[in-house]
Amino acid sequence: GAGVSQSPSNKVTEKGKDVELRCDPISGHTALYWYRQSLGQGLEFLIYFQGNSAPDKSGLPSDRFSAERTGGSVSTLTIQRTQQEDSAVYLCASSFAPPRGGRPEQYFGPGTRLTVT
Amino acid sequence: GQQVMQIPQYQHVQEGEDFTTYCNSSTTLSNIQWYKQRPGGHPVFLIQLVKSGEVKKQKRLTFQFGEAKKNSSLHITATQTTDVGTYFCAADNYGQNFVFGPGTRLSVLP
Repeated sequence: GAGVSQSPSNKVTEKGKDVELRCDPISGHTALYWYRQSLGQGLEFLIYFQGNSAPDKSGLPSDRFSAERTGGSVSTLTIQRTQQEDSAVYLCASSFAPPRGGRPEQYFGPGTRLTVT
Repeated sequence: GQQVMQIPQYQHVQEGEDFTTYCNSSTTLSNIQWYKQRPGGHPVFLIQLVKSGEVKKQKRLTFQFGEAKKNSSLHITATQTTDVGTYFCAADNYGQNFVFGPGTRLSVLP
């Protein structure tokens, strides 16, 4: 079946502009994660949605970053007033609901490469 | 807060040599996952370890969870060029935190 999709695949924007990144999770997955990965670096957790629960926003680096998930499916990550240090690959992942005491595997999308000039 | 370290940061091996990466957590974990990211690709799930001292094998890959559930290792026997990539551990602290390690980048020389 279809995997996690993200759009756009590449985004070049000018400093100070707002950008929206989209993630379509795998159908039936109730958990959705956003990560940021700078070149050659690890995965930086940004935000986590699980069903109808309040999202875990603990990883958002500043109030310029926000995300929403509509209807428990598609998610949009918005970065306002972009800065050059926001340049990175933004990865979305989805999974089934975590069972008690466990953490199901995450399926990652191909990412959106954001370049702020 | 929870800290996850991986060593080494980089590893260059000759094809056919073995490779091991280690993942260490500052806190006791409920489970640990391993992911592989090929150059230019996205992370792909490899395995999850849950039990203390657990050992799991996938062909040439052997995964181990420490007895104290604070560390884990991934060992590749007789590396091949297809093993090239970055290997990440992801540590779950009983649902409180889920943190990816910084990764170990493996290059295999033919």
